[in-house]
Amino acid sequence: DIQMTQSPSSVSASVGDRVTITCRASQDISRWLAWYQQNPGKAPKLLIYAASTLQSGVPSRFSGSGSGTDFTLTIGSLQPEDFATYYCQQGNSFPWTFGQGTKVEIK
Amino acid sequence: EVQLVESGGGLVQPGGSLRLSCAASGFTFSGSWMHWVRQAPGKGLVWLSHINSDGSSTTYADSVRGRFTISRDNAKNTLYLQMNSLRAEDTAVYYCGRLNRHNSGDYWGQGTLVTVSS
Repeated sequence: DIQMTQSPSSVSASVGDRVTITCRASQDISRWLAWYQQNPGKAPKLLIYAASTLQSGVPSRFSGSGSGTDFTLTIGSLQPEDFATYYCQQGNSFPWTFGQGTKVEIK
Repeated sequence: EVQLVESGGGLVQPGGSLRLSCAASGFTFSGSWMHWVRQAPGKGLVWLSHINSDGSSTTYADSVRGRFTISRDNAKNTLYLQMNSLRAEDTAVYYCGRLNRHNSGDYWGQGTLVTVSS
């Protein structure tokens, strides 16, 4: 199975900060990588798919990059509604797998 | 508007069975791949299973293969997850989701809680 490792596990930041989360795959997944945002008690929300394509309706302050094994989610200017947990997910080969999550907390 | 509504969760004893349903509306269900994902209390997301649009192809995570079965009824616009031989570690919120052609979940249900306990 492909292991997805996110870092950091948590990050403390302030409104307006630029935040970067990384996701590393244990083997080449090309660009089969998605990023999700999840708020407590809510379903995940798709932010980015195919490593860098912004899902419709998602603010442009979110961006994704990478290919192969190393990927990045960047929040350009953190807004109050962005404090949440973020997950990456590979869709390259079954079983699909998620990273362990990165919690973005208020500093 | 795309809607996915899960039902069927609840309390079940270890070794018991439960069938989850996911009613879909607002999109062409019969043309969509679907999946199930779960989240144990306070833990991360875990992918469980996928099914293609006509139900002819399914895959499972190792943790549920042989115990869980994904299926669909395109005439009823409904996705199912039959869960047998349930264990305490299956306790989680179960989400159904629609997959886009990039194998990403673009729409999700609200989740249904399954608790396995005696």
